[in-house]
Amino acid sequence: GAGVSQSPSNKVTEKGKDVELRCDPISGHTALYWYRQSLGQGLEFLIYFQGNSAPDKSGLPSDRFSAERTGGSVSTLTIQRTQQEDSAVYLCASLADRGSYEQYFGPGTRLTVT
Amino acid sequence: DQQVKQNSPSLSVQEGRISILNCDYTNSMFDYFLWYKKYPAEGPTFLISISSIKDKNEDGRFTVFLNKSAKHLSLHIVPSQPGDSAVYFCAASARGSYIPTFGRGTSLIVHP
Repeated sequence: GAGVSQSPSNKVTEKGKDVELRCDPISGHTALYWYRQSLGQGLEFLIYFQGNSAPDKSGLPSDRFSAERTGGSVSTLTIQRTQQEDSAVYLCASLADRGSYEQYFGPGTRLTVT
Repeated sequence: DQQVKQNSPSLSVQEGRISILNCDYTNSMFDYFLWYKKYPAEGPTFLISISSIKDKNEDGRFTVFLNKSAKHLSLHIVPSQPGDSAVYFCAASARGSYIPTFGRGTSLIVHP
């Protein structure tokens, strides 16, 4: 079946512009995560959605970052007034249910802020 | 402060030999551990996991060992193959938490 998909695969934007990154999780997966991987760093947790519960936003680095998940499926990560330090690969992952810890990752969106 | 540490950024191994990737953690609440493998321009893929009630888990050429007293786990790949060349991430979750903490990864290169 289809895996997690993300779009766009690459995004170059000017400092100060807003960007939207999209994630389509595996159908039926109840949990969805956003991570960020900066050069030479590990995966930095950003936000976690589980079913209809309020999202865990504890990893969002600033109020310029926000995310929503519509209809329990597609998710959009929005970064407002982008800064150069926002340049990174943004990864989305989904999880089947609470009985599993194994996440399925998308290929990521490489964001470059010039 | 990193709660999951992969102290070796890179590892080079000859084809056919054993690869040993190490991971240390500091949070005693972690009770489930996973290894992910990542090729360039792709997302990480799940490789193998281990619960804290075990000290070893095997899946084909891959074995994960857990030493709870030392807060240390390792991934053994035997025999190593050139296709194993990738970045390997260690991740840990605390009981009841579905937000894992990832290490910074170890880049494994297997030479033919």
